[in-house]
Amino acid sequence: SQQGEEDPQALSIQEGENATMNCSYKTSINNLQWYRQNSGRGLVHLILIRSNEREKHSGRLRVTLDTSKKSSSLLITASRAADTASYFCATDAEETALIFGKGTTLSVSS
Amino acid sequence: NAGVTQTPKFRVLKTGQSMTLLCAQDMNHEYMYWYRQDPGMGLRLIHYSVGEGTTAKGEVPDGYNVSRLKKQNFLLGLESAAPSQTSVYFCASRRTPTGTQYFGPGTRLLVL
Repeated sequence: SQQGEEDPQALSIQEGENATMNCSYKTSINNLQWYRQNSGRGLVHLILIRSNEREKHSGRLRVTLDTSKKSSSLLITASRAADTASYFCATDAEETALIFGKGTTLSVSS
Repeated sequence: NAGVTQTPKFRVLKTGQSMTLLCAQDMNHEYMYWYRQDPGMGLRLIHYSVGEGTTAKGEVPDGYNVSRLKKQNFLLGLESAAPSQTSVYFCASRRTPTGTQYFGPGTRLLVL
């Protein structure tokens, strides 16, 4: 069964605005990862945050992790049309394979 | 490096036919995975392998078999295809059990 649940399912914003996506999960994790999928393509890794970290930055991306609430958020600042994609959170709970959520579809219009 | 490659890119099967999807990685990764992606369902794990000669079941293994005879290759087989197996199949690999996964471009399979 899916470990992570992203919220919202879909998000539409204008270029230059910030986009925030949330992820909730069910069990204890080793780390949490965010991936992006452009339409019709494979998934691309964005960022990994370990269970003992609270915040991590990578370029225009900011990820937070709250293990007490079993939740994470992905913030994309100053969105661009090229950020239009689906975003997935994934967790490593059992060290066997990443378990993915159903994703948030982000649409950035110019 | 090519990364993770998948063959074929697209295939149409009739119900009951069999086929094998090939995944190859050139990063010397130990861990390899097969997922399927259906609309509104995200990615679901079919089978995975933690090393050459090993395989294990994931969340949705029924109707599929896998083999990992060589470290760089992970094969996914459908012995008797069903319309419910119409999906996009992704292969992934990683070096460590908790690290970044690298994905292939996907195989679109249509079962009529």
